[in-house]
Amino acid sequence: GAVVSQHPSRVICKSGTSVKIECRSLDFQATTMFWYRQFPKKSLMLMATSNEGSKATYEQGVEKDKFLINHASLTLSTLTVTSAHPEDSSFYICSASPQTGAIQYFGAGTRLSVL
Amino acid sequence: GDSVTQMEGPVTLSEEAFLTINCTYTATGYPSLFWYVQYPGEGLQLLLKATKADDKGSNKGFEATYRKETTSFHLEKGSVQVSDSAVYFCALTPNSGNTPLVFGKGTRLSVIA
Repeated sequence: GAVVSQHPSRVICKSGTSVKIECRSLDFQATTMFWYRQFPKKSLMLMATSNEGSKATYEQGVEKDKFLINHASLTLSTLTVTSAHPEDSSFYICSASPQTGAIQYFGAGTRLSVL
Repeated sequence: GDSVTQMEGPVTLSEEAFLTINCTYTATGYPSLFWYVQYPGEGLQLLLKATKADDKGSNKGFEATYRKETTSFHLEKGSVQVSDSAVYFCALTPNSGNTPLVFGKGTRLSVIA
């Protein structure tokens, strides 16, 4: 099946620093990718929809200046957590679909810990 | 808005036991329904899906039937194995477009030998 690679799998950073998470579709082109956040013992919550070549669409309550999303190519979307704080510590997961209406394939997720 | 409710875990079963994980949904229109599985340290993988009422999705011995009358999509397996230990997520997409998934909270399953 289709493969989505997410990197890094785990990152620990100091408060105030920025962290970039990459999401790549390895064997298909993805015009749309999704970024989710998962809190402990909670469901995955959609943060934003990332569209290739255009601005991301953020869900209500998600700060677009804090969570910068860039979808520069059909195979790569990045999420940058700017000026990270301990409350940003979470599990971030991306997904991508090969075409409109198709199944979403997920990355393995990134566990961010902000000290 | 659209939502998915699935039974709270964790669920602990002995090997070869019967598994049911309940899932109900609230949505306008005719959503597509999914079960995803997350094995330890890995990403989410699609387990099965159903796109219209009365469809039955099946894979690896797991089954779920799209019940519009009860707005349910319960996951079942007749005989679980230790290797089935994982977190299971019920999810829906509101329509057939390239739209994000709405997830349930997930149910952790532990199967003991």
